[in-house]
Amino acid sequence: QSALTQPASVSGSPGQSITISCTGNSSDVANYNFISWYQQHPDRAPKALIYQGNRRSPRVSTRFSGSKTGNTASLTISGLQADDEGHYYCCSYAGSSWVFGGGTKVTVL
Amino acid sequence: QVELQQSGPGLVKPSETLSLTCTVFGGSIDSYYWSWIRQTPGKGLEWIGNIFYDGVTAYNPSLRSRVTISVDTSKNQFSLRLTSVTAADTAVYYCARERFNMVGGIITTRWLDPWGQGTQVTVSS
Repeated sequence: QSALTQPASVSGSPGQSITISCTGNSSDVANYNFISWYQQHPDRAPKALIYQGNRRSPRVSTRFSGSKTGNTASLTISGLQADDEGHYYCCSYAGSSWVFGGGTKVTVL
Repeated sequence: QVELQQSGPGLVKPSETLSLTCTVFGGSIDSYYWSWIRQTPGKGLEWIGNIFYDGVTAYNPSLRSRVTISVDTSKNQFSLRLTSVTAADTAVYYCARERFNMVGGIITTRWLDPWGQGTQVTVSS
């Protein structure tokens, strides 16, 4: 199963909104309920942000939201803050295995 | 709040076996799936395999011939063994709990939360 496709980098100024895309195929992204998003800061473990495509994990800011159009899932970060810098990964569970996107580095200008 | 604590050596010799353990604190290992995932700069995040608390396993086909995941419910732990390691197995290894929701006995969503702290494993002589 091939990896999900994410842009290598996305940047924005504080207060702006950015969107990270995650493109797959009919066997992974299309099954939206199994899409999740993770945030990773340097030298830290990934942390779950979004599951079931658009549901926030407990204690995750409402500035993070998920959506989907066709075979592309998206993570939007609103009101960008300095602490949002890091890497973001989409993930799908399909066919009894997990597949990850290549990751997107978010830079706050 | 469930926390996962990883343990195991950070240096393994080529052709030998990598062994890591993940201990679950603040909750029971029962009724969940538990995964191992690794991360390298070149290949990103790669799922290795998982185990249900009853011992049923599933593995990444690319690693299946070398991987064994086991569970010890009495110790609230699960473990990873990867045999015949090479430099390509050098990575940060993570354990994670698989959370899921069910409707009418069917799993309708799954996600990974929480993750262990990660263990840098280097394969080198």
